[in-house]
Order: sequence, then structure tokens, then C-alpha cells
Amino acid sequence: QVHLQESGPGLVKPSETLSLTCTVSGGSISTYYWTWIRQPPGKGLEYIGYINYSGSTNYNPSLKGRVTISIDTSQKQFSLELSSVSASDTAVYYCARRGEVAMLDYWGQGILVTVSS
Amino acid sequence: DIQMTQSPSSLSASVGDRVTITCRASQNINSYLNWYQQKPGKTPSLLIYAAARLQSGVPSRFSGTGSGTDFTLTIISLQPEDFATYYCHQSYDTPWTFGQGTRVEIK
Repeated sequence: QVHLQESGPGLVKPSETLSLTCTVSGGSISTYYWTWIRQPPGKGLEYIGYINYSGSTNYNPSLKGRVTISIDTSQKQFSLELSSVSASDTAVYYCARRGEVAMLDYWGQGILVTVSS
Repeated sequence: DIQMTQSPSSLSASVGDRVTITCRASQNINSYLNWYQQKPGKTPSLLIYAAARLQSGVPSRFSGTGSGTDFTLTIISLQPEDFATYYCHQSYDTPWTFGQGTRVEIK
């Protein structure tokens, strides 16, 4: 059974960089695409971006170039960096696996990141 | 971006009811449409993928239909554990987008 676990600070100051890591267990990271999704409190789901095992990435243009996703296959981890954060970036951040038919079939439990001074 | 519009935004239903949620895409997405269930404070979980394929382990009372721009999620005989928010998701083109959600509440 594939398991994903997010880790990182739960509080980030405005204008700083949010950094999260997702650790994959129970399956190979060297296939599929690995995704970040976020959900502001009380709101819907927003796609942030994805990466594949070779490092090919896709980002949501709405985040205006503030996003970087990277992967470390040796550690079975992939990471998210979101720069110049503001209060509107406060959300639960999920990592998820894009399955073979372009669905999100495995999700981490999510981590709440609050942007506040 | 492809806009996904769900209706209704919320509904009240009783245990045993048949529930239908619709999702409309702003352009043709073939069958690249997925449905997720999210209970309060929990992670979304995949119910239906590729418009009509039931994810392993999901009860057969859930079903999905549609292609192109119009899709439906149906729950026959609503169960107490089905009260949740449901989201559609298009994976036809990036940026992937989600519907705004449909909250299913107890009548």
C-alpha cells in the first residue's frame, strides 16, 4: 500500500519561502507523477504542480512563478517550495500521486501551513 | 484554464435517497474526469476515475457517467458515511482544475 507523508513547518512568515517535503513509502517513486494540491481553510482544492521521476515539472501559472517542485528518488521524497508567501497562501497542503489514468489515487494526510508574522 | 462547475453547491438528503451531482467542463475533456469524496477534516479520497471507473474498494452504490463536457456522480441509496463534500477534477489539461465542491448534508 502506497503511503505519502508531508512534513515541514506549520508557520511561515509573510514574504518568506514555504518549504514542504513528501515522503513516499510502500511503492516506487520512479514511476508516476507526484503532485502538490492545496486547500485554503473552508475552501476548495487547488492544483499547485507536479513532477515525475526524471524531474520534469508542471506548475500552475496562477502561482506566478513562485513555485519549485523537486524530487530525490534516492530518498523517495519530493519537495515543494513556494516563495514570497502571503496570508492567501495559508492552506492545507497535500501531496498526492497521479495514477496511471491521470487521477490522484493516493494522498498524504495534509499539513496546515499558516502564513503569519 | 478549464473551468469546472458543479451543481448543486449543496444538497440535503436522507439515508436511502438517490443523489445525483453534476459537473460541467468549460470545454471538451473527453473522459478525463475524476470524483473525490472529502469528509470534514480528512483527506480527499478517489471515488471514480476516467469518468466511470470505480476505484478499488469504493462501494458499488457510487457510479459516474459522462464524457465531453457533462458528467454526473450518482449515489444510489445514500448511507450515513456518505455525508461529505464531493469534488470533480479534470486531468485533461494543465493546470488541472477542480469543481467548487458539493456538500451533501443530512436532511
